[in-house]
Amino acid sequence: AQKVTQAQTEISVVEKEDVTLDCVYETRDTTYYLFWYKQPPSGELVFLIRRNSFDEQNEISGRYSWNFQKSTSSFNFTITASQVVDSAVYFCALSEAGNQFYFGTGTSLTVIP
Amino acid sequence: DTGVSQDPRHKITKRGQNVTFRCDPISEHNRLYWYRQTLGQGPEFLTYFQNEAQLEKSRLLSDRFSAERPKGSFSTLEIQRTEQGDSAMYLCASSVPKGLAPHNEQFFGPGTRLTVL
Repeated sequence: AQKVTQAQTEISVVEKEDVTLDCVYETRDTTYYLFWYKQPPSGELVFLIRRNSFDEQNEISGRYSWNFQKSTSSFNFTITASQVVDSAVYFCALSEAGNQFYFGTGTSLTVIP
Repeated sequence: DTGVSQDPRHKITKRGQNVTFRCDPISEHNRLYWYRQTLGQGPEFLTYFQNEAQLEKSRLLSDRFSAERPKGSFSTLEIQRTEQGDSAMYLCASSVPKGLAPHNEQFFGPGTRLTVL
């Protein structure tokens, strides 16, 4: 079973639209960490955010916001007023209390000008 | 500092040959990770080091894969007797611990693309 599920394989939006990328995770640990990374066409993964399992407060950073809900094991990512530069593959990842790391299969976002 | 570097960027080899990739992390980072990424998939965690200690290696894909970080600085990933299924992008990342979190923000290198003919 997948530890991290990103059900949306590809999404296309028109510039300035809001878009939400879904992430559902599975773990039995009470302590864990969730991440989002961006992989632009250039290829290098870029860190966006890390949250721990004890902090369910939603976070906003500019046009980016994250909604962490333990009750539904979800950690969704919203981009407000999308821009062409947001076009990339976005990965959600899980780190459990052990030493392993699990990435989802990614959501490819295309922002159309 | 220019970030995480990996060498070579591309490697083409024939099936059955051994290959070795190098990763130079950001200088003050004591954690170093190796991942494999195939087309259309997320990075697949392989192993990680804290300084020279390899703390997790159960996810290495087979006994043909091995990694070292002898002096706690650069690391090498070796694949012996390569197979066509080993063709992928091999990514390296580094980080520093923050608080009690086992894993903090990772900085990724550009990757080494391996093609096994």
